[in-house]
Amino acid sequence: DGGITQSPKYLFRKEGQNVTLSCEQNLNHDAMYWYRQDPGQGLRLIYYSQIVNDFQKGDIAEGYSVSREKKESFPLTVTSAQKNPTAFYLCASSLHNEQFFGPGTRLTVL
Amino acid sequence: RKEVEQDPGPFNVPEGATVAFNCTYSNSASQSFFWYRQDCRKEPKLLMSVYSSGNEDGRFTAQLNRASQYISLLIRDSKLSDSATYLCVVNVIGQNFVFGPGTRLSVLP
Repeated sequence: DGGITQSPKYLFRKEGQNVTLSCEQNLNHDAMYWYRQDPGQGLRLIYYSQIVNDFQKGDIAEGYSVSREKKESFPLTVTSAQKNPTAFYLCASSLHNEQFFGPGTRLTVL
Repeated sequence: RKEVEQDPGPFNVPEGATVAFNCTYSNSASQSFFWYRQDCRKEPKLLMSVYSSGNEDGRFTAQLNRASQYISLLIRDSKLSDSATYLCVVNVIGQNFVFGPGTRLSVLP
């Protein structure tokens, strides 16, 4: 069964803690993306990676970090420097020009 | 001006109605266009790609107007299950996907 998985589905953290969100895909896609979605708003690009061992900042990269050591995996770390981390985080991968999304992680920082 | 704009709605329509959404984009170099559907608290799912010649998939029809830089989505014979937020997505080849804020549709019984 091919697809994109994200874990956990819900995550609660205390303010000041770093947290890492997992994203795995077995679609053999080269490109992977992280987006953030706030209530009633569109998706905003945090980071993207077109190929293994390479990634680029998106529109709102401050306070986030990523790695792309394997084609299948693109974890996102939300650091304590991110001022408003509570949001819905979506990972996606793409082949050619279509994007496919994971189920998302809803992060709440208390 | 935002890169991709949509009327946020909500569009409240009765079952069986026909409803149309428009989306405008600012980058004339945009080459790929999509409509995604997003249910409440779920991930977006690709509804259809939009081709220059227009395309139809059952009750859904998408059209592209490059001269005026807009795309449209027409839903005929609306079902309750069509209630969702519809996201317009635009891509310049070699660059990233840009998402509109979405248009919320509620189909009422």
